[in-house]
This record gives sequence, structure tokens and C-alpha cells, in this order.
Amino acid sequence: DAGITQSPRHKVTETGTPVTLRCHQTENHRYMYWYRQDPGHGLRLIHYSYGVKDTDKGEVSDGYSVSRSKTEDFLLTLESATSSQTSVYFCAISSRTGGKNTQYFGPGTRLTVL
Amino acid sequence: EDKVVQSPLSLVVHEGDTVTLNCSYEVTNFRSLLWYKQEKKAPTFLFMLTSSGIEKKSGRLSSILDKKELSSILNITATQTGDSAIYLCAPLYGGSQGNLIFGKGTKLSVKP
Repeated sequence: DAGITQSPRHKVTETGTPVTLRCHQTENHRYMYWYRQDPGHGLRLIHYSYGVKDTDKGEVSDGYSVSRSKTEDFLLTLESATSSQTSVYFCAISSRTGGKNTQYFGPGTRLTVL
Repeated sequence: EDKVVQSPLSLVVHEGDTVTLNCSYEVTNFRSLLWYKQEKKAPTFLFMLTSSGIEKKSGRLSSILDKKELSSILNITATQTGDSAIYLCAPLYGGSQGNLIFGKGTKLSVKP
């Protein structure tokens, strides 16, 4: 499992409330990613980080912000949750396997916005 | 625009059948292609392919990349019910560590 945990694993919240999801890794990987997975869309990249305080936007970053103050933690924040952000959120890390970069995923967080 | 197309989107077979899943891609600065298996949880890594024509094998699963045709196939022989899952294809592209772009997946159902 590449030492990745996500919290919470399930969350139900109401429209307009702020939500923060946490990704924690124990193996000192430099690169970390947040994806969302929705039926009919597959996995889409929200934001990624290439080091402490270094982040960049992915394909579907609107409505999301991220922070990385420590190597091991990558936080995803929905400032004001909307129903369209109901999804399963996966965190991933990038690791070199056989000299090539491979991504490994955390267990996921199921978020429901009512 | 970068894109990945997987086919078929879903497939129902019986145990013992052989299946071939397809992935075609268009990305800039292609680096490698990854296959994942997803059951009712997080995607798990299967294969990484970087060179054309070299088959990767793991038990009954095998995969091959065709960089000229911008495509890859995943074969599963003697399917079992435990192979039922969504299979995801994702090219790694771009500079530095690179980013993945995922296809929508092929949902495979293996019936006893």
C-alpha cells in the first residue's frame, strides 16, 4: 500500500461547509497527488505537489485548494463544498520502480455533499 | 488535447475465457504506460510499459505496448471470477516526474 493513509475514509457534509481531506505517507516520497473518481469520468487529477510548499493545478482544480507544510502530509480543502464535489477522492504518491516512475494510491475517501 | 480511450467499456465473459482489453492514447511527451486493476477500492498497479513490442507478464495477465500505433493491450487468459474488476490504462507524460491521464476503464465481469 506504499504507506499511504487517508482520513477521513467517509464523510457526509452539507453544501457550503468547508471540508479538509488528509493524505499521509510514511516513506518520504516527494511527489503526491489528489484525484477524484466519478462514474463516466474515471480518475481525474485535481492538484499535485512536488515538494513542501510546492504545488500545482491539475485538470479539475476549480473549487479545491491544497497545502503541503510537511513531506508526509498533503491536504485537500474544499472551501465551500457543493453537490458536484460528491465523489471518491484518492491520494497517490510517485515512486520509482525499476528506474521508472509509478504512482501508488491510498485507500480513498468517499465524500457526500448534501 | 491529451486523451485516453479504452475499449470495450464493459465486457462479460465466463470463467476460462481469454479477454483482450484495448487502450489508445494521445499525449504530448509520452514516457510510459501504466495498467491498474480496480476492484471495490483503490486502483492497484499491474504493469508499466516503456518500450514497444516487449511483453510484460504476470501469471495469466500480459500486456504489450505499440508506440507507433499509440496503443496498448492487456490480455487475461483462463479468466477467473477474481479477475472481475475495472481495468484502467494511464499514460505517464510530461516533464520531471510526469503526470498520469486515465482512461475511463474497462469493466470486466467474469461469470462462473
